[in-house]
This record gives sequence, C-alpha cells and structure tokens, in this order.
Amino acid sequence: SAVISQKPSRDICQRGTSLTIQCQVDSQVTMMFWYRQQPGQSLTLIATANQGSEATYESGFVIDKFPISRPNLTFSTLTVSNMSPEDSSIYLCSVERGAGETQYFGPGTRLLVL
Amino acid sequence: EDQVTQSPEALRLQEGESSSLNCSYTVSGLRGLFWYRQDPGKGPEFLFTLYSAGEEKEKERLKATLTKKESFLHITAPKPEDSATYLCAVQGQSSRLTFGEGTQLTVNP
Repeated sequence: SAVISQKPSRDICQRGTSLTIQCQVDSQVTMMFWYRQQPGQSLTLIATANQGSEATYESGFVIDKFPISRPNLTFSTLTVSNMSPEDSSIYLCSVERGAGETQYFGPGTRLLVL
Repeated sequence: EDQVTQSPEALRLQEGESSSLNCSYTVSGLRGLFWYRQDPGKGPEFLFTLYSAGEEKEKERLKATLTKKESFLHITAPKPEDSATYLCAVQGQSSRLTFGEGTQLTVNP
C-alpha cells in the first residue's frame, strides 16, 4: 500500500478565487491521479498527473480550470481555478506504484464554494 | 466505453444478516476489477482486486467473486462497523478506473 496525505483536508472558498490542493506520498510512485467526487456521487477521474510533463485530462476537464503539477515522483498539486459553487466537491488524489497496479487513495479534500 | 452498475443503491441489514452486493460491468479487455470501501468524509479504502472469471478473494467477513459480466461482494454475519459505501471499479485497456455509483450499506445492531 501507500501512505498518502492531502492538504488542506477541507476549505471554504469564495466564488472566483482559486485553491491549490497538495498530495504527498510516502514513497516514489509511477502514477498519480486526481479525482472529483460530487455530493452523493461516485468518483470521476479529472486527470493523470505526469512527472516532468503536462497532465493528461479526461473529457470535460481542461487545464485552464484544473492546472496540475507533478515536480517529482512523490508530490503533485491540483488547482481549482476561478471557482463557482458547482466546484463544491471532494477532491481525491490516488497513486499506483506501477502502471496497472492497485490504486490507493488519499483522504480527500472537501471543498465548499460560496 | 467502460460501464459499471452497482445494486442495490442502499441496503439495510440487521447485525448477523448475510447478504450480497452486485457489480455489473462492461469493459474492453478487463485488466482488473476493484472493490473499495468508503466511510463518510474519507477516501476509498482498497479491499480486493480480481483479475479473471472464477477468481475469489476473502478478507474477514467479506468475500469477492468475479464472473465475465459481474462481481459480487458477499458479506457474512455483518457487524455495525461494516456500515459504509462499497465501490466497485473496473480497469480496461485504457488503464483508467471506471467507478460505479456505490452501494450504501447500513448494519443495525
């Protein structure tokens, strides 16, 4: 398994502002992912965070809205930009040690946009 | 497009009352089917990975099975601490995980 931490654990933000969420893993991993879980719903993949190159975004998600960084094999950030109340969700980081292996999830960041 | 459907959406059991959760899927080239448990306000916790039809895995009161079209999570003699949302996900040739909507399980003492 992997020990994954996320900061902040929760936040309340004003419309139009941006929030950066951090994800830290206790050891090097091959793959890091960012998911969104809207209230009462399941998980939706936002993007794959690639080390040393641009993230790979899923349909419906764009870099201008959700810029992602991955400077090394243990750390990634997701920014939620120009927030609106529709962005209120839980944002989850997950990791795979090797491609195609089990994904382990962080504790999540609970975001409320007013 | 990979798809996962879980049933029932919600399930209430009495302590000790065994039952099963269903996960039906369609996927192009199954690489793995995953079960997770999620408690309120927390991230999903990994339970099992199944790779091929006929495979079974067990952990305490939980047993997961897999056929070519569905997976079952059997819960034997559940306890209140088993109350959670159980998520099923598949990984196909695209390597991304596709999640179902989950089954919210409540076990009453």
